[in-house]
Amino acid sequence: GESVGLHLPTLSVQEGDNSIINCAYSNSASDYFIWYKQESGKGPQFIIDIRSNMDKRQGQRVTVLLNKTVKHLSLQIAATQPGDSAVYFCAENMRMESYNTDKLIFGTGTRLQVFP
Amino acid sequence: NAGVTQTPKFRVLKTGQSMTLLCAQDMNHEYMYWYRQDPGMGLRLIHYSVGEGTTAKGEVPDGYNVSRLKKQNFLLGLESAAPSQTSVYFCASSLRRGTGNEKLFFGSGTQLSVL
Repeated sequence: GESVGLHLPTLSVQEGDNSIINCAYSNSASDYFIWYKQESGKGPQFIIDIRSNMDKRQGQRVTVLLNKTVKHLSLQIAATQPGDSAVYFCAENMRMESYNTDKLIFGTGTRLQVFP
Repeated sequence: NAGVTQTPKFRVLKTGQSMTLLCAQDMNHEYMYWYRQDPGMGLRLIHYSVGEGTTAKGEVPDGYNVSRLKKQNFLLGLESAAPSQTSVYFCASSLRRGTGNEKLFFGSGTQLSVL
């Protein structure tokens, strides 16, 4: 089916450690993937994106890895800080040829908790 | 630069009442969207617009109507609110789709409770 899921609903890490948030997608037609961060009471905020012709993309303290063979996406956060505590969503952009448009499908989210 | 602004932030309705949620963006984006967010279900697309004067249905359009009379504004209407419409509503916009412009910018949300 067309779904984006997350392996771990809650992830607890110690401040300073690296965090890895995983996401599985099921549609091989998806060509673009995005990670969003949502803090309590706020809207989702863009973190990083990656196209299907790439395996890895790095940002500031964040890295996204894409494994198309197993349809897996991960977000790595280096030196996790208390301010990283939030819910993280992955989203896949799926082409809908019949409507000449595309569709962004969101996962249900993983909560990252950072403790001192 | 305010980005995407939603009003109101909170609202409580009685079943059968109507209301309109307003979304405004100042980034000159072509595309605008309304999502609802429910626990354990992620973000689901209600309606979207690819430009001024256009609207289209998303995944869960029933019970909602939208209008895009001006490029910067996207209105979401509930004609007869039902308890099932209790949710957090997010508006988003994007420059356009394709060639790296799929990135959505979200508003801060409207928490709606229907009693």
